[in-house]
Amino acid sequence: AQKITQTQPGMFVQEKEAVTLDCTYDTSDPSYGLFWYKQPSSGEMIFLIYQGSYDQQNATEGRYSLNFQKARKSANLVISASQLGDSAMYFCAMRDDAGGGKLIFGQGTELSVKP
Amino acid sequence: DAGVIQSPRHEVTEMGQEVTLRCKPISGHNSLFWYRQTMMRGLELLIYFNNNVPIDDSGMPEDRFSAKMPNASFSTLKIQPSEPRDSAVYFCASSFQPGQSHTEAFFGQGTRLTVV
Repeated sequence: AQKITQTQPGMFVQEKEAVTLDCTYDTSDPSYGLFWYKQPSSGEMIFLIYQGSYDQQNATEGRYSLNFQKARKSANLVISASQLGDSAMYFCAMRDDAGGGKLIFGQGTELSVKP
Repeated sequence: DAGVIQSPRHEVTEMGQEVTLRCKPISGHNSLFWYRQTMMRGLELLIYFNNNVPIDDSGMPEDRFSAKMPNASFSTLKIQPSEPRDSAVYFCASSFQPGQSHTEAFFGQGTRLTVV
């Protein structure tokens, strides 16, 4: 069965510094996708970055990068040069390609950026 | 594209009443998901559809909940009868199916349901 785990309920980071949000996953499907979403206090869910299980390189999108370690089943999000606007909940998600593509989410990490 | 559209944005209803939440997915997407978000349980997947067919409804909490997708551009989530513990934010999301490009899901703005 699929499982996503985010072990950090809350994180603090100083403005302009980098921060890593942890995510581990479990699946028996060799083909899957990993995602990160941001949910600011306004409540919308914003897609940030995607990593496919067969992708050879770590995904990057602007200040976001995904540190994908397949053997360890981890997909950590790295945010470089943190900004005050990065303060939000961050969710890691996984989608198995088999069985119709069930998309499940971790419990989330609340990130607070300090000025 | 207007994105995923959910209605209503807010719903306040009395216990025992029927509630219907609506969702219009992004045109061309063929997977649709319904989630419920609460502080206690986080973001729970209730049900998802591929090509308008329900694939997995194991997350639907009980028989009071039902979901339909009569066509590719519309889905409903119905709660009948509603109870106070159903109070939550309900999200609809859509995406391409696995095997078709990237399969990230795009979310609607959510429906905040309050049952009193």
